[in-house]
Amino acid sequence: QLQLQESGPGLVKPSETLSLTCTVSGGSISSSSYYWGWIRQPPGKGLEWIGSIYYSGSTYYNPSLKSRVTISVDTSKNQFSLKLSSVTAADTAVYYCARLVVVVAAVDYWGQGTLVTVSS
Amino acid sequence: QSALTQPASVSGSPGQSITISCTGTSSDVGGYNYVSWYQQHPGKAPKLMIYDVSNRPSGVSNRFSGSKSGNTASLTISGLQAEDEADYYCSSYTSSSTLLFFGTGTKVTVL
Repeated sequence: QLQLQESGPGLVKPSETLSLTCTVSGGSISSSSYYWGWIRQPPGKGLEWIGSIYYSGSTYYNPSLKSRVTISVDTSKNQFSLKLSSVTAADTAVYYCARLVVVVAAVDYWGQGTLVTVSS
Repeated sequence: QSALTQPASVSGSPGQSITISCTGTSSDVGGYNYVSWYQQHPGKAPKLMIYDVSNRPSGVSNRFSGSKSGNTASLTISGLQAEDEADYYCSSYTSSSTLLFFGTGTKVTVL
């Protein structure tokens, strides 16, 4: 059974960089059938697609966040990561890592989510 | 466009049917059959309920069905049950550099 697990600091100071890692177990991140993505959900609000990465390293980013986002992949560790720079309180959210099936553009597996709070 | 448009809330009595709409543009919902629907209970990660407009993953009840007309996709829940009370989100592939959009979300209340 595939599992995705987010890890990283739960508290980040304003103007600093938010860094999260997603560890994939029970399957290979190097499969050509999937993108690996990050999605966030501010408290009490809806889902926002942040971006995704293919095992080859090609990326897609939400234009509203593109200038601050970097998603990378480490196939040797079966992990992918998110960096979001210059954070503000508006970036406080539950951050999910997820698997997107290429041929149907649907997210079939989600991590449990991790709350990241931006506060001094 | 930053998000697909959904009604904020929909309600129904047990046993009834309800429909949630998801409106986009010809660059996303209208242009491709890559619309998905997700169910999210409080404090939980979303769960895929429908993909490719109308296909159900294994294990999802056949009370959930999807359709599309033009730039609007729809999720219908028939035989509404208490356990269906949750937030529902649509998503669509988009030809923009984003790859994927989510809808604004709909809270379903079982009366």
